[in-house]
Amino acid sequence: GENVEQHPSTLSVQEGDSAVIKCTYSDSASNYFPWYKQELGKGPQLIIDIRSNVGEKKDQRIAVTLNKTAKHFSLHITETQPEDSAVYFCAARAPWGSARQLTFGSGTQLTVLP
Amino acid sequence: GAGVSQSPSNKVTEKGKDVELRCDPISGHTALYWYRQSLGQGLEFLIYFQGNSAPDKSGLPSDRFSAERTGGSVSTLTIQRTQQEDSAVYLCASSLLDRGGTGELFFGEGSRLTVL
Repeated sequence: GENVEQHPSTLSVQEGDSAVIKCTYSDSASNYFPWYKQELGKGPQLIIDIRSNVGEKKDQRIAVTLNKTAKHFSLHITETQPEDSAVYFCAARAPWGSARQLTFGSGTQLTVLP
Repeated sequence: GAGVSQSPSNKVTEKGKDVELRCDPISGHTALYWYRQSLGQGLEFLIYFQGNSAPDKSGLPSDRFSAERTGGSVSTLTIQRTQQEDSAVYLCASSLLDRGGTGELFFGEGSRLTVL
């Protein structure tokens, strides 16, 4: 089955700086890669996703890049703000007809220092 | 509109007792998932329901765990003879699946289980 590795497990940045979280996946058939943000005491919430037919996607201060050859993808947050502090999870899913559940990484605790 | 609702939000039980955790998905969502989140860990897949298809139970860690989904809506996760290692937050999510087999998961706030 799919295996997703996520690094780093914790990340502290100064407000205004950028944050980068990296993930690798094992199943070359995976074609959908979402990122979820989990605030304290809440369930994870989708913030951005990318499909395997594109290499980069942006939404305001967040962007995700995908390298299918290397089987890794990254989340980039620019101009970080205190409200970006949360746990971030990457995930991967194999195509329709295979296992349909998302396989999540182990999470990154991001702390934005004021 | 209501999101995914889980109950109880917190459950403390004694080792060996059975527990039931309930999930009310978003109305109309055909897919329902259960994940387990241990302290400081990622999200561990447990079970997946999609419409009337047989559930994917491949993530259930032992035969003490079972789940059902009645009428294609509410789901109950049952843990029999609880052990201390079952202590975790149990998250339920629901989604609509598009033609590509993907769809945003909407998570509930979880049920925190503590086994003493």
